[in-house]
Amino acid sequence: DAEITQSPRHKITETGRQVTLACHQTWNHNNMFWYRQDLGHGLRLIHYSYGVQDTNKGEVSDGYSVSRSNTEDLPLTLESAASSQTSVYFCASPRRGSGYTFGSGTRLTVV
Amino acid sequence: AQSVTQLGSHVSVSEGALVLLRCNYSSSVPPYLFWYVQYPNQGLQLLLKYTSAATLVKGINGFEAEFKKSETSFHLTKPSAHMSDAAEYFCAVSGGGWNAGGTSYGKLTFGQGTILTVHP
Repeated sequence: DAEITQSPRHKITETGRQVTLACHQTWNHNNMFWYRQDLGHGLRLIHYSYGVQDTNKGEVSDGYSVSRSNTEDLPLTLESAASSQTSVYFCASPRRGSGYTFGSGTRLTVV
Repeated sequence: AQSVTQLGSHVSVSEGALVLLRCNYSSSVPPYLFWYVQYPNQGLQLLLKYTSAATLVKGINGFEAEFKKSETSFHLTKPSAHMSDAAEYFCAVSGGGWNAGGTSYGKLTFGQGTILTVHP
């Protein structure tokens, strides 16, 4: 089965710092998505990509950016971390017939 | 545009009782629908999915869901709850089919989640 690995699992950073969360998939999936999970909000889409050099904004994209230079990776960057970005971040990729596979998540704390 | 509403942020049942978690969706195209389960401090695990085949979908751990187009619903049920079913459950909708130029599902929109508590 396809695997999606996220790193780091836990991260503490200071307000104003730039932070990059990694997402790597072992199959050549075109579509990759970044979500954040917050209590009472479920999972909300931050950014997504439908292929190399393609990136799109989701519903909560302010303060975040992504780049897609190869099929395997979709790193998520917080340009200037804010306390409101303390959350759990999940990367996902779908495959026809199998649904969406999610990574294990990154718990980010901004202090 | 697509959206999901899960009715009830908390549901409590007794062990052995019926589990019913409600989900209504809105989609401008034929939807693909999913239920995910999340145990504390873990990731999301797919329970079942509807992708325009049979309207009654069976998933893992004894769960099933029925797609009702006329009611725009995709409720999750399990005949007899186990203590191990205690978790948070998410319903989600995708626009369905292949995105332009892609080869798999498009954006996935989640409901706000329902926390299931099972009492002995």
